[in-house]
Amino acid sequence: EAGVAQSPRYKIIEKRQSVAFWCNPISGHATLYWYQQILGQGPKLLIQFQNNGVVDDSQLPKDRFSAERLKGVDSTLKIQPAKLEDSAVYLCASSHSGVGKYEQFFGPGTRLTVL
Amino acid sequence: QKEVEQDPGPLSVPEGAIVSLNCTYSNSAFQYFMWYRQYSRKGPELLMYTYSSGNKEDGRFTAQVDKSSKYISLFIRDSQPSDSATYLCAMSRSNTGKLIFGQGTTLQVKP
Repeated sequence: EAGVAQSPRYKIIEKRQSVAFWCNPISGHATLYWYQQILGQGPKLLIQFQNNGVVDDSQLPKDRFSAERLKGVDSTLKIQPAKLEDSAVYLCASSHSGVGKYEQFFGPGTRLTVL
Repeated sequence: QKEVEQDPGPLSVPEGAIVSLNCTYSNSAFQYFMWYRQYSRKGPELLMYTYSSGNKEDGRFTAQVDKSSKYISLFIRDSQPSDSATYLCAMSRSNTGKLIFGQGTTLQVKP
């Protein structure tokens, strides 16, 4: 089966600009996650969707970050305006709702550099 | 104090060595324990999964969970250069809840 797809793979922007990331989960996976991984750290969950509803967004900086999952499939994560500390890899992951639903499958990530 | 602590390393071992990777945690509510492997510029991939306490073996990999000590370990036997990667421990209160990751340990296995 095809893996989690993310685009773009790399993005360089200046602070105060806006940026958007796209994720296409594995077909049939109901749950989608966005993680932020700062260099030298483990991934930190930003938001979790179950179909197109938000399950957990407690660590999403809502003043600048937003995310949506239209029709319960693809998802976009937006940052507006970006700050220097937003430089990180943004990972999308998905999991299904059946047996083995604990396993999250990760995409390759989008590496964001904010100058 | 972080919920999950993991020594970042780096850890360098010769090919064939036994590798021991460890994490400690503070939240006794964690029930699900995982080890992810992350190669450079790739997303993490699940390596081992354990529910509650005990041992689990899969080929050259063994995962151990000691809930009484809040300590988990991953052992790699007969390490190979292809095992060179960052190893992330991760924990969750439920099997569908968010994962709390450790910082990751960078491992290099030298030929």
